Amino acid sequence: GDSVTQMEGPVTLSEEAFLTINCTYTATGYPSLFWYVQYPGEGLQLLLKATKADDKGSNKGFEATYRKETTSFHLEKGSVQVSDSAVYFCALSSPGGYNKLIFGAGTRLAVHP
Amino acid sequence: NAGVTQTPKFRVLKTGQSMTLLCAQDMNHEYMYWYRQDPGMGLRLIHYSVGEGTTAKGEVPDGYNVSRLKKQNFLLGLESAAPSQTSVYFCASKISGFSYEQYFGPGTRLTVT
Repeated sequence: GDSVTQMEGPVTLSEEAFLTINCTYTATGYPSLFWYVQYPGEGLQLLLKATKADDKGSNKGFEATYRKETTSFHLEKGSVQVSDSAVYFCALSSPGGYNKLIFGAGTRLAVHP
Repeated sequence: NAGVTQTPKFRVLKTGQSMTLLCAQDMNHEYMYWYRQDPGMGLRLIHYSVGEGTTAKGEVPDGYNVSRLKKQNFLLGLESAAPSQTSVYFCASKISGFSYEQYFGPGTRLTVT
């Protein structure tokens, strides 16, 4: 079945460092890909999405490109802030199946001043 | 708009007890979902609904029942709680099958002793 694998955390960075969180997927067909973020004590929020190959999703300085040839959707940010500390989830939604989301295990990011 | 709300926020149950978790959304969304979040496993879909009066099983439905009698509410029931159901439960909603974004509630932390 469909699945998402993302790098284990925690990831610990200093403020203004470059961030990469790796995400790869297995799916039949052509899924849509998402990054969700969960701040402490809150529910998940959609951070960005890409719905077809080579699309780049971006929001709040974060970017991810849908790479079909490597089945990847890595999250990047050029300069992280303390306020970016959160858990990041990569997810996919396959066509049909009522758009159910399949999540990766999540990667915790801690940014220190 | 309150968005997606969940009641209660925290609950402790003894093995064998029953309870109902309430999810409410005020966005007139058609689709609603119940997930559980366990450490290192991301979110897993329990049950979902594509409209008032409909429900369907997700990835991990055993031990849970759901009902969607009103469009704005989606109830998750545990008839006989087990320690394996200790988890954080998230409800989410989506406007329709053509929409990508799911909106999440703040979660309910359930402990079964």
